Amino acid sequence: EVHLLESGGGLVQPGGSLRLSCEASGFTFSSYVMNWVRQAPGKGLEWVSGISVDGGSTYYADSVKGRFTISRDNSKNTLSLQMDSLRAEDTALYYCVQGLQSYWYFDFWGRGTLVTVSS
Amino acid sequence: DIQMTQSPSSVSASVGDRVTITCRASQGLSGCLAWYQQKPGKAPKVLIHTTSTLQSGVPSRFIGSGSGTDFTLTISSLQPEDFATYYCQQAYSFPLTFGGGTKVEIK
Repeated sequence: EVHLLESGGGLVQPGGSLRLSCEASGFTFSSYVMNWVRQAPGKGLEWVSGISVDGGSTYYADSVKGRFTISRDNSKNTLSLQMDSLRAEDTALYYCVQGLQSYWYFDFWGRGTLVTVSS
Repeated sequence: DIQMTQSPSSVSASVGDRVTITCRASQGLSGCLAWYQQKPGKAPKVLIHTTSTLQSGVPSRFIGSGSGTDFTLTISSLQPEDFATYYCQQAYSFPLTFGGGTKVEIK
């Protein structure tokens, strides 16, 4: 059974940094693209970032480009998101999401970790 | 960036009704479109990908169709467990983008 467990969320001041992690189990992690998708309270879904199976290609939403960095460690089945220069509008529930087969659709989702940016 | 416009933003319907949700992209997607269902307090669930491919375990009352820039999700006979918010998503190009969502409510 696929299991994705996010951690690292919390309260941070504007301009601060956080590092989110996602521990994956129940599937061959190194065979799937991975993503971060966020959802602000009461709002819709927003894709944040994606990474190829070997980590060689990374992709970002315009809203986070230059501030967030996605990475993966296939030896540890872990996905990470380094978030710098955080803004109030980054406040959201951040989901770790497995790609669907070889496509950039979203199959299995974690339960999410909440990031709150506020002074 | 590809903009995804979903309509309606909400719809009230009864059990047994046929419900149609549309999604329009700002440019052609070559069929690279998915639909998700999200219930309150839960993570989204993929229903359909590549326009019309039903994900394993999803009931056949969910039907995806469309081409080019215009896509449709049809629920052929609404069931009580289908009351939720639905999102479309394009996977044609980066950045990946979602529609704004359609909330299906009980009439």
